[in-house]
Amino acid sequence: AQTVTQSQPEMSVQEAETVTLSCTYDTSESDYYLFWYKQPPSRQMILVIRQEAYKQQNATENRFSVNFQKAAKSFSLKISDSQLGDAAMYFCAYRETSGSRLTFGEGTQLTVNP
Amino acid sequence: ETGVTQSPTHLIKTRGQQVTLRCSSQSGHNTVSWYQQALGQGPQFIFQYYREEENGRGNFPPRFSGLQFPNYSSELNVNALELDDSALYLCASSLSLNSLQETQYFGPGTRLLVL
Repeated sequence: AQTVTQSQPEMSVQEAETVTLSCTYDTSESDYYLFWYKQPPSRQMILVIRQEAYKQQNATENRFSVNFQKAAKSFSLKISDSQLGDAAMYFCAYRETSGSRLTFGEGTQLTVNP
Repeated sequence: ETGVTQSPTHLIKTRGQQVTLRCSSQSGHNTVSWYQQALGQGPQFIFQYYREEENGRGNFPPRFSGLQFPNYSSELNVNALELDDSALYLCASSLSLNSLQETQYFGPGTRLLVL
């Protein structure tokens, strides 16, 4: 079974600085998808960024980028120029290419200090 | 475009009771997935419905059941509630099953408290 591990329960960053959230996963599949979701106090899960495993190029969405290391099964999220609105719980998630079941990590609570 | 909606937002039940949670999927989406998120944990997959048929189930007992209707809205039913069923229940809809660019859009969730 696939597992997703986020080893940082909490992280903090100063406004305008950069922070990296870690995620590792375990799978025997060669093709799959990886996601970072953000869950603010409003509880609604919001997609931040996604990565297809067959693509070597790291995904980027504005201030958010990933460092995808397939051999190491690592998928970290970098947030640049952190803003107060980035404060939330961040979840790393894995999905097989067949079906839509997401397997989530335990989450990292990000605090942004003014 | 209407997003994913869930009702009710909060619910309090007692042990042994039954509960029904509802989800309206995003316009045009034919796939609905349900997740249980216990406090301080990541969401756990319960099951998924595609075009009114169950299409995959997580490690949850049979007292967790569901339905999907012709308009692709969905219900999650939980019988014989237990204290450990207290959680945030999230519904997510998507356009199809296996699209390479598929994105799951989540609703705001229903917070269930079992006393």
